[in-house]
Amino acid sequence: NAGVTQTPKFQVLKTGQSMTLQCAQDMNHEYMSWYRQDPGMGLRLIHYSVGAGITDQGEVPNGYNVSRSTTEDFPLRLLSAAPSQTSVYFCASSPRQAFEQFFGPGTRLTVL
Amino acid sequence: EDQVTQSPEALRLQEGESSSLNCSYTVSGLRGLFWYRQDPGKGPEFLFTLYSAGEEKEKERLKATLTKKESFLHITAPKPEDSATYLCAVSSGSARQLTFGSGTQLTVLP
Repeated sequence: NAGVTQTPKFQVLKTGQSMTLQCAQDMNHEYMSWYRQDPGMGLRLIHYSVGAGITDQGEVPNGYNVSRSTTEDFPLRLLSAAPSQTSVYFCASSPRQAFEQFFGPGTRLTVL
Repeated sequence: EDQVTQSPEALRLQEGESSSLNCSYTVSGLRGLFWYRQDPGKGPEFLFTLYSAGEEKEKERLKATLTKKESFLHITAPKPEDSATYLCAVSSGSARQLTFGSGTQLTVLP
C-alpha cells in the first residue's frame, strides 16, 4: 500500500491564480480530510468527507472547495489564491472503525 | 469548542535523560486522544490513541498516559533519533474531526 499520497510536493502561485491539490489513498478509508499547518498554530481542519459524495466544512473553509467523487480521491481546490493561503497542506484518511487519521507527506504552497 | 494546549513548546534533552511532554485538553465528550510524531518536512506519523482516563500505551521508549484533563508522553532514555515535534490531538462527540495542539519540539543531543 502506498498509503496517502499528495501531489505536488511544492507549488508557487501568484495572487488570484487557482489550482488543485491532489490527495489519494489506497486503503479503502471512508473518512478523508484536509488540514493546513502554519507556524505556531498547529494543524487546522479545512474540509472533510465521511464518504463518496459527502463533504463538509471544517474550521477554516473559506477560499477552498472540495469534492469526493470516489472513495480514493479527495482534491482540494483553491479558487483564487491569496498570500494568506501560504501554508503546508496535509491530507489525511481514517477507516470507518477507528478515529486515528493517517497523514500524507504534505504540499508546501507559497502564494506571492 | 475543543481546546488542546501542549507544553513545553520546546525541550532539549541529553541522550538518556528521561522526561515528559504534557497535553492539556478541554472537550465535551472525549472520543479519543491521539499522539503523533512529525519530522521536519514530513506529515504527522500516528503513535497512539487513548480512549479513557487511566489508559496507557507503550511503544519502544515512549509511553502515553491519560487523565480526565491531560495526557503525558513519557520518553525514557531518549536517543537522538527521537528528535521530532510531538503533536497531541483530540476527537470529541460524534465528530471525527481532530483538534490539534501546537506541538512540542523535542531535541535529543548526543
